[in-house]
Amino acid sequence: GEDVEQSLFLSVREGDSSVINCTYTDSSSTYLYWYKQEPGAGLQLLTYIFSNMDMKQDQRLTVLLNKKDKHLSLRIADTQTGDSAIYFCAEDTGGFKTIFGAGTRLFVKA
Amino acid sequence: DVKVTQSSRYLVKRTGEKVFLECVQDMDHENMFWYRQDPGLGLRLIYFSYDVKMKEKGDIPEGYSVSREKKERFSLILESASTNQTSMYLCASSLQSRAVSYEQYFGPGTRLTVT
Repeated sequence: GEDVEQSLFLSVREGDSSVINCTYTDSSSTYLYWYKQEPGAGLQLLTYIFSNMDMKQDQRLTVLLNKKDKHLSLRIADTQTGDSAIYFCAEDTGGFKTIFGAGTRLFVKA
Repeated sequence: DVKVTQSSRYLVKRTGEKVFLECVQDMDHENMFWYRQDPGLGLRLIYFSYDVKMKEKGDIPEGYSVSREKKERFSLILESASTNQTSMYLCASSLQSRAVSYEQYFGPGTRLTVT
């Protein structure tokens, strides 16, 4: 069935790069998303990538998509303490349904 | 500024009580969703609605029902709350058009505790 998997925890030092990885199963996904959830808040869309793209860059964020391996990653350059949050990978399986991963908690050490 | 609001941030109810969670969006979105969020499990879809009075079951609808009488409002109902329904409940909305990505806009969540 449809599934999105990601590691649950990542710890980095301030100023380093963070890389959060995700694997998905539905090869027909049109969009793949990264959402960010800050403490006490709902999810907010951080960035997304079309399935026909390999890479998307947006300021400090780089998204890489490997369709063959069904692997998606989010790289945050120069990670700051304000980047501490839970990051959710998600895929659009068509129709109205979006499948979310369990979320990766990013902890940034000052 | 787009907004999805939920009626309560924190709620404590007793086992067997009927619980209403309300969600309102001001973006004229067609789609609305209810998820529950549990540690290690991520977001699981309970129900969604693609139009007024229309609803579809998600992955975990048992023990829940929904109501959408107006486009901007989507209610989640726990007919008889049980302790295993203690969770964070998130409401979201999105546009229906395929011309844009299915970005979902989330409310801040309601943390429900059933004792």
